[in-house]
Amino acid sequence: NAGVTQTPKFRVLKTGQSMTLLCAQDMNHEYMYWYRQDPGMGLRLIHYSVGEGTTAKGEVPDGYNVSRLKKQNFLLGLESAAPSQTSVYFCASSRGTGRVGYTFGSGTRLTVV
Amino acid sequence: SQQGEEDPQALSIQEGENATMNCSYKTSINNLQWYRQNSGRGLVHLILIRSNEREKHSGRLRVTLDTSKKSSSLLITASRAADTASYFCATGDTGTASKLTFGTGTRLQVTL
Repeated sequence: NAGVTQTPKFRVLKTGQSMTLLCAQDMNHEYMYWYRQDPGMGLRLIHYSVGEGTTAKGEVPDGYNVSRLKKQNFLLGLESAAPSQTSVYFCASSRGTGRVGYTFGSGTRLTVV
Repeated sequence: SQQGEEDPQALSIQEGENATMNCSYKTSINNLQWYRQNSGRGLVHLILIRSNEREKHSGRLRVTLDTSKKSSSLLITASRAADTASYFCATGDTGTASKLTFGTGTRLQVTL
């Protein structure tokens, strides 16, 4: 039982390049989330999805896009990377009942130079 | 904006001692959760307490919630070196998306 899998684990981008981060979960969870973690700031919500085909903005959505074409996958895209997007990105999923916690992936460390 | 603020930011104790971390938040919540993060790894869910609960236990963990003061505490009893990690509180909102807002974390160091 893999849980939540994020790919890639590490990536270095040049300013202006684009990339897609993939999150896959095998727990049949309805809800999925993308967070970024920066030193001293905890985790901040970028985008989230409450079901296949749905997405919504979180606290810091600018510069990112997402898609949830399949229930098990949640993709995070950076169209034109900026140094301010250097961060560790975490994907999480949950049943969405408010009675259980999130399951997190192991993260993607992204550096934009 | 951060909903939860943990206190202290860093805590260093010896193995066998108890560790207490506090979390304060600002708005109404559906639940409050605590997570552990080992260095360079993802977050692991520890415990969830609902807004109508006051105390909850799980193994060596004890969580309290005071909604009138908008605060929570996490107590780890008989700490072990393996408990060394960062601990985050996260508040679950009252909306339908079960979104969590995380605090900035407490870094716990347990020494032998």
